[in-house]
Amino acid sequence: AQSVAQPEDQVNVAEGNPLTVKCTYSVSGNPYLFWYVQYPNRGLQFLLKYITGDNLVKGSYGFEAEFNKSQTSFHLKKPSALVSDSALYFCAVRPTGTASKLTFGTGTRLQVTL
Amino acid sequence: SQTIHQWPATLVQPVGSPLSLECTVEGTSNPNLYWYRQAAGRGLQLLFYSVGIGQISSEVPQNLSASRPQDRQFILSSKKLLLSDSGFYLCAWSRSRGGETQYFGPGTRLLVL
Repeated sequence: AQSVAQPEDQVNVAEGNPLTVKCTYSVSGNPYLFWYVQYPNRGLQFLLKYITGDNLVKGSYGFEAEFNKSQTSFHLKKPSALVSDSALYFCAVRPTGTASKLTFGTGTRLQVTL
Repeated sequence: SQTIHQWPATLVQPVGSPLSLECTVEGTSNPNLYWYRQAAGRGLQLLFYSVGIGQISSEVPQNLSASRPQDRQFILSSKKLLLSDSGFYLCAWSRSRGGETQYFGPGTRLLVL
């Protein structure tokens, strides 16, 4: 069975500093990996995904994520955080070649302060 | 472009009352459809998914049911709500072929009193 771990409940960053939100996964075979963001009382918004190819994936709002197969990680990064990036971030995984059932992590709350 | 709608946005219901939440998708055909519940603003639990009209798979046995009467319509129902049914319900869609990405609706906040 597949699983996702987001080891940090909350990440605090000052505006202008780089941010990293961590994600590790476990899946049989090759993974499809995703990051979503959720603002209060809203649905999840798709940020980026890794399917195949370049390990560094660029997504919306200046976010990027690096797929590391040996460490089974897919950490979300941004070079310079904004206060408006404050939200709940979810990592998700599913194995390739199956129906699209995703397994989500428990989420990491990102708080960006001035 | 594709859009996904959910209604109502917010619902307050007494224990024991019935429930019907609706999700519709525009701009695509034969999507895969999903119902999730998010409790306490955190983890998502997949409740049901559907790959076509009348085809429903249940992930978690509980007080809820789902139906797909039309290609782009997905309904979540209950005959008698429990307090534990309170939560944030999210509908999502993905393309049926090559549809690895799921796109979420705005959600319905359900409070059972």
